[in-house]
Amino acid sequence: GDSVTQMEGPVTLSEEAFLTINCTYTATGYPSLFWYVQYPGEGLQLLLKATKADDKGSNKGFEATYRKETTSFHLEKGSVQVSDSAVYFCALSITGGGNKLTFGTGTQLKVEL
Amino acid sequence: DSGVTQTPKHLITATGQRVTLRCSPRSGDLSVYWYQQSLDQGLQFLIQYYNGEERAKGNILERFSAQQFPDLHSELNLSSLELGDSALYFCASRSGQMDEQFFGPGTRLTVL
Repeated sequence: GDSVTQMEGPVTLSEEAFLTINCTYTATGYPSLFWYVQYPGEGLQLLLKATKADDKGSNKGFEATYRKETTSFHLEKGSVQVSDSAVYFCALSITGGGNKLTFGTGTQLKVEL
Repeated sequence: DSGVTQTPKHLITATGQRVTLRCSPRSGDLSVYWYQQSLDQGLQFLIQYYNGEERAKGNILERFSAQQFPDLHSELNLSSLELGDSALYFCASRSGQMDEQFFGPGTRLTVL
């Protein structure tokens, strides 16, 4: 079945450091890929998405590129802030399969001053 | 604010009881999804409704059921509750033209 694998957390960085959170996927069809973010005590917010190979999703300084050849969708940000501290989830959905989301386990990011 | 609302925010109940969680999707969204978030299972898809009809089922227990009403709000019913049902339950909605789902704030269920 479809699955998403994310790097284990927590990831602890100093403010202004470079962030990479790895995500790889296995899918039977052609998935759309997403990054969602969950701040403490809140629901999930869509951070960015990509719907086909080589698409780059970007939002709030975060970027991720849909790499079909490596089945990856790594999340990057050039300079993190304390306010980026949250749990980040990589997810996929298959069009025609009801578009249900299959999530990775989540990666907690802690950014310190 | 995603536009998806869920009530109640918190629910504390005892084993063996039955509860109902309510979700109102974003205006115009016909699809509603339910997910469970727990420490041991992570985020798991439970069930999807589209315009009142069940469309897809995931890892939903037989003790759980859901429905979507003509005004498009949805309810998730959990019965014969067990300690292991304690979790965050999220509802999400999706527009037919888009891939992404928008999540509500969740209902935190605690079974004592």
